[in-house]
Amino acid sequence: DAKTTQPTSMDCAEGRAANLPCNHSTISGNEYVYWYRQIHSQGPQYIIHGLKNNETNEMASLIITEDRKSSTLILPHATLRDTAVYYCIVRVAQSYNQGGKLIFGQGTELSVKP
Amino acid sequence: GAGVSQSPSNKVTEKGKDVELRCDPISGHTALYWYRQRLGQGLEFLIYFQGNSAPDKSGLPSDRFSAERTGESVSTLTIQRTQQEDSAVYLCASSPRPYQETQYFGPGTRLLVL
Repeated sequence: DAKTTQPTSMDCAEGRAANLPCNHSTISGNEYVYWYRQIHSQGPQYIIHGLKNNETNEMASLIITEDRKSSTLILPHATLRDTAVYYCIVRVAQSYNQGGKLIFGQGTELSVKP
Repeated sequence: GAGVSQSPSNKVTEKGKDVELRCDPISGHTALYWYRQRLGQGLEFLIYFQGNSAPDKSGLPSDRFSAERTGESVSTLTIQRTQQEDSAVYLCASSPRPYQETQYFGPGTRLLVL
């Protein structure tokens, strides 16, 4: 699975959009981009994933560049409860034989401030 | 519905003792994963179960670590002759199918080896 690079930490003002970047320059054509987050003292939580098209759900939007070498997770209106470590993970589409283990990096520690 | 549960939530043990950690996945989820998270670090994959297939043990750090799963239900992670470097949060996750993108994590067991 391709390696990802994320900033160590970011701040965001409450109510503003939080834009979290991720570089994955060695991504392969069959690898998806996944985002999880981990709020302090809790297990990780799935946010969103995509292959090459931009994706949006009730939690966030995912923007993937045309060359797929980087992506941005957008939390449109950050709240204090969005303070967490955000992990960008790149991995192949799961198949029965491959299983589904996730390889976590260090992530970005997002602090949403009032 | 009920999420992934883990017990105990906290465990303090002495170096050299054996410990057993339990994971109850979401009912009906066929895939189950164990991860370890040391303080301030990202998650490390340990082991993966899928139905009656042979588990993927590629992440187990030593032969002191073992895990079992009964059918598609409870799993136990056993650490024998614990060492101080085993101190970490042990997280369990499950997913409905092995090729399901979303993994649902439990709250973790915090293990401290004195």
